[in-house]
Amino acid sequence: QKEVEQNSGPLSVPEGAIASLNCTYSDRVSQSFFWYRQYSGKSPELIMSIYSNGDKEDGRFTAQLNKASQYVSLLIRDSQPSDSATYLCAGYTGRRALTFGSGTRLQVQP
Amino acid sequence: EPEVTQTPSHQVTQMGQEVILRCVPISNHLYFYWYRQILGQKVEFLVSFYNNEISEKSEIFDDQFSVERPDGSNFTLKIRSTKLEDSAMYFCASVPALAGSTDTQYFGPGTRLTVL
Repeated sequence: QKEVEQNSGPLSVPEGAIASLNCTYSDRVSQSFFWYRQYSGKSPELIMSIYSNGDKEDGRFTAQLNKASQYVSLLIRDSQPSDSATYLCAGYTGRRALTFGSGTRLQVQP
Repeated sequence: EPEVTQTPSHQVTQMGQEVILRCVPISNHLYFYWYRQILGQKVEFLVSFYNNEISEKSEIFDDQFSVERPDGSNFTLKIRSTKLEDSAMYFCASVPALAGSTDTQYFGPGTRLTVL
């Protein structure tokens, strides 16, 4: 199993809908996670971090962590065309370095 | 708001040449990183640096690579003899503290390295 795994997409949602992005991780990944957004040709930009089981909300974004299922997700409510980007899930792999998933490309259709 | 800066934004070099990529981490941060992203692939860890020495490095970070903090602000990545497969975006990142696995890493804008 890959350490951090994401569906590459593209995930296409209409403007105003909820986009749901998912990530699974292996035992090698310590259980704090980061969601980054990356526009084409740009650097990763932090959206949210989550360390505890359950939900964490920040504006239109909600991160969910389920440690028993080794699953972390990001929900984007009221999706906007400007949300169209690649979303990267990342966690620390027992050393002080982030391991990234391959990213899910989100397309929000106007 | 403080941010990580990197120079140059784009570097073009001939195979076999040495390149130095530069980063200025956020001033009160303690841990520094280099990552790379080959076009269309995922972001990969290269090396971390703390207290003026390498803390960890990945399998990618072989003898062709070196890092240095030549002064109190700059953090550099040197590739001694570039290969075609070194073409990638190189990102510098820094973290403010030593909380460990909850540290948020702040990324610079990246340097696009093109090896011809």
